[in-house]
Amino acid sequence: AQTVTQSQPEMSVQEAETVTLSCTYDTSESDYYLFWYKQPPSRQMILVIRQEAYKQQNATENRFSVNFQKAAKSFSLKISDSQLGDAAMYFCAYKGGPTRANSKLTFGKGITLSVRP
Amino acid sequence: GAGVSQSPSNKVTEKGKDVELRCDPISGHTALYWYRQSLGQGLEFLIYFQGNSAPDKSGLPSDRFSAERTGGSVSTLTIQRTQQEDSAVYLCASSLNPTSITGELFFGEGSRLTVL
Repeated sequence: AQTVTQSQPEMSVQEAETVTLSCTYDTSESDYYLFWYKQPPSRQMILVIRQEAYKQQNATENRFSVNFQKAAKSFSLKISDSQLGDAAMYFCAYKGGPTRANSKLTFGKGITLSVRP
Repeated sequence: GAGVSQSPSNKVTEKGKDVELRCDPISGHTALYWYRQSLGQGLEFLIYFQGNSAPDKSGLPSDRFSAERTGGSVSTLTIQRTQQEDSAVYLCASSLNPTSITGELFFGEGSRLTVL
């Protein structure tokens, strides 16, 4: 079974600075997808960024980018120019390749990010 | 509606009572998921519905938990004889194309269940 590990329960960053959130995963599959979701206090999970395992290029969405290291099974999220609105819980998630059995996401335990003004 | 709607937002119940949690997915989304989020834990998969296929119930923790999806739309998660360890936030999500990278999950705001 696939597992997703987020070993840092909490992190803090100064506004306008850069922070990196770590995630590792374990799988025997070669084709899969990885995601970072944000959960603000409203509890509604929002997709931040996604990465296809077969793509070597790291995904980027505005201030958010990933460092995807397939051999190391590592998928970290970098937030640049941190803003107060980035304060939330962040979850790393894994989904296997395109078959019905793989349609559910496996989540890590999450990391609480606080942003200091 | 524009997003995934869940009700109730908060539910307090006594141990041993049954509870029903409702999820109204985004119109047209064929896939519907239930996850449980306990304090200090990640999101635990419970059950997955896809169209008319048999649901994937592999995540249901006990036979006290059941879920149904009527007419391929609204879903109800039922917990019978609730226990204190059932206290958690129950999140529902829906997806238009769950097997692809673009099959983003859209989540509701969850139902917080407290069992006294």
